This record gives sequence, structure tokens and C-alpha cells, in this order.
Amino acid sequence: QVTLKESGPALVKPTQTLTLTCTFSGFSLRTSGMRVSWIRHPPGKALEWLARIDWDDDKFYSTSLKTRLTISKDTSKNQVVLTMTNMDPVDTATYYCALDSSKERGNYYYYAMDVWGQGTTVTVSS
Amino acid sequence: DIQMTQSPSSLSASVGDRITITCRTSQTIRDFLNWYQQKAGKAPKLLIYGASSLQSGVPSRFSGSGAGTDFTLTISSLQPEDFATYYCQQSYTTPPTFGQGTKVEI
Repeated sequence: QVTLKESGPALVKPTQTLTLTCTFSGFSLRTSGMRVSWIRHPPGKALEWLARIDWDDDKFYSTSLKTRLTISKDTSKNQVVLTMTNMDPVDTATYYCALDSSKERGNYYYYAMDVWGQGTTVTVSS
Repeated sequence: DIQMTQSPSSLSASVGDRITITCRTSQTIRDFLNWYQQKAGKAPKLLIYGASSLQSGVPSRFSGSGAGTDFTLTISSLQPEDFATYYCQQSYTTPPTFGQGTKVEI
């Protein structure tokens, strides 16, 4: 059974750096095709994809946030870490990590975020 | 980045109704389109991948169709547990992008 769980501070001050950890089980990020994404959901707004790390250590970031984000993995601990610098009240949101896995259909592989963590709520306030 | 436009942004419906939600993309994404359901305070749940394939465990009243730039999610007979917000998401290019959501209300 695949599970993911986010952890990190519930409250950060403006300008501080946020560090979130996704601890997972039931799969390995050493396995070809496995990817973990971070997504956030600000209150009353739409889902926003933030970053992804792949089994081969390729890393991808949101176009608008890439200067503030860093994603990394520790395969021995089954963890993915996301850091976001210079936090602002507009970054207040629930942050999720998700397994982004491929599904074969015909001659193609379709990726979708099919297992999500429960989310962790982060408030940015002084 | 590929822009995603969902319509309507919200709709009111009754149990047993058939509803359709539309998602349009700013460029062609073939059929690399996923649909998610999110209930208040919960994580999103994958419903449909590849525009039309039902994720394991999802009831057959959910269906998806479309290709290119125009896609639909249909619920054939709305059930009480289906009242939620629905998001489309393209997986054709990185970064993946989500629609703004469609809230389905009683």
C-alpha cells in the first residue's frame, strides 16, 4: 500500500524559509518511472503544482516560483524535501505531496498524481 | 505554460442529475488530461487519466472524453457523495497545470 505524509511547520513568518518533508512508503524513488510532486491549495483558490523530483534525480519547478523552490530526495529515508524561500502571506496554503506514476495504455504512458498525502497547512503571518 | 480553462466555475444540481464539466487547453495536449475530485478539507482524488480511462475503484458513473484542446467530465447520475470541486490537469508538458476548478453544489 502506497502512502505519503507531509510534515513541517504550521506557522512561518514573512521572509522566512519553509521546509516541508514528504515521507512515503510502498514504493521506492529508485524505481524507474517513479516521481513525487508537491502541490499546494491556497484557501478559496485552485490547486497549484510546485515542483517534482524523478527517480533519476531530474528536478522540475513551477515557472512562477522556480527562483524560490528547491526539491531534493533521500532515497535511504524514503523522503522528499521541498524548501521555499522568502515566504509571504500569499503562500498560506495546504501543501500536498503526491506520487506521480505512469499508467500504460496502448503505446503510451500517462502520468497522473494517483496517491496523495493528507496535506499540511502552512500559515504565513508575523 | 499551458493554460487550462474550466467551465462552469460552479453549478447547482440535484441527486440523479447528469452533469458535464468542460476543460479547454491553450494548446493541444492530445489526450494527456486528468480529472480530480476534491472534497472540502481533503486531498484531491484521481478520477480519470488519459482523458478517458477510469482510475481503479472509481464508480462507472464518471466518464471522460475529448482530445486536442477540448475535454469533458460527465457524471451520469449525481450521487450525494459527488458534491465536491473538480479539477482538470494536463500531463502533456512540464510544468503540469490545473484548471481553476468547478464546484458542484446541491
